[in-house]
Amino acid sequence: DTEVTQTPKHLVMGMTNKKSLKCEQHMGHRAMYWYKQKAKKPPELMFVYSYEKLSINESVPSRFSPECPNSSLLNLHLHALQPEDSALYLCASSQDLRLTEAFFGQGTRLTVV
Amino acid sequence: AQTVTQSQPEMSVQEAETVTLSCTYDTSESNYYLFWYKQPPSRQMILVIRQEAYKQQNATENRFSVNFQKAAKSFSLKISDSQLGDTAMYFCALPSGSGGGADGLTFGKGTHLIIQP
Repeated sequence: DTEVTQTPKHLVMGMTNKKSLKCEQHMGHRAMYWYKQKAKKPPELMFVYSYEKLSINESVPSRFSPECPNSSLLNLHLHALQPEDSALYLCASSQDLRLTEAFFGQGTRLTVV
Repeated sequence: AQTVTQSQPEMSVQEAETVTLSCTYDTSESNYYLFWYKQPPSRQMILVIRQEAYKQQNATENRFSVNFQKAAKSFSLKISDSQLGDTAMYFCALPSGSGGGADGLTFGKGTHLIIQP
């Protein structure tokens, strides 16, 4: 099983809403990642978790708050987003930070109105 | 810092033809992996093929193969007998960071491949 599952697939939220994106993997991977992808652009790294601890935070605004409750689950909490935050949010996992292989979820298409 | 360059924004070929997508990169690491990902309109990033820089033999996966030139820092993807389902964005990627602790993947800008019937 090389599956990374992301929910929801689509999300529309207002600028005052609070919502969460969820990512799950059952491959025993200990590194998990959040990427943001704008249309016709490559993914950009947001956060890296290694062994459930935040390893990298790429200067992401505080309105994005990651959480890793256990080794299989990664959340991204959203609050007071701006329209420019509309994008595809991709979750990925790898066995560890050596990144010999990485698997991606289908992504959540987020629209902020 | 690692960089990845894909110089072909878009390519179009006929079904059943062979197509080669180019990628050059820069890294100070001595051992690393290189990846090609496919992102169809369904938007999931699918790992197509990977190459360990330590290995001289080029990786192959069915119709997909790479031409890895370590000294030239070149990593091209060849798709043989192209099919309509190969239509997608293709990204070349390299782990960021150093010392065995990657900071995620560095991606090229992508090549939009269109397979014409």
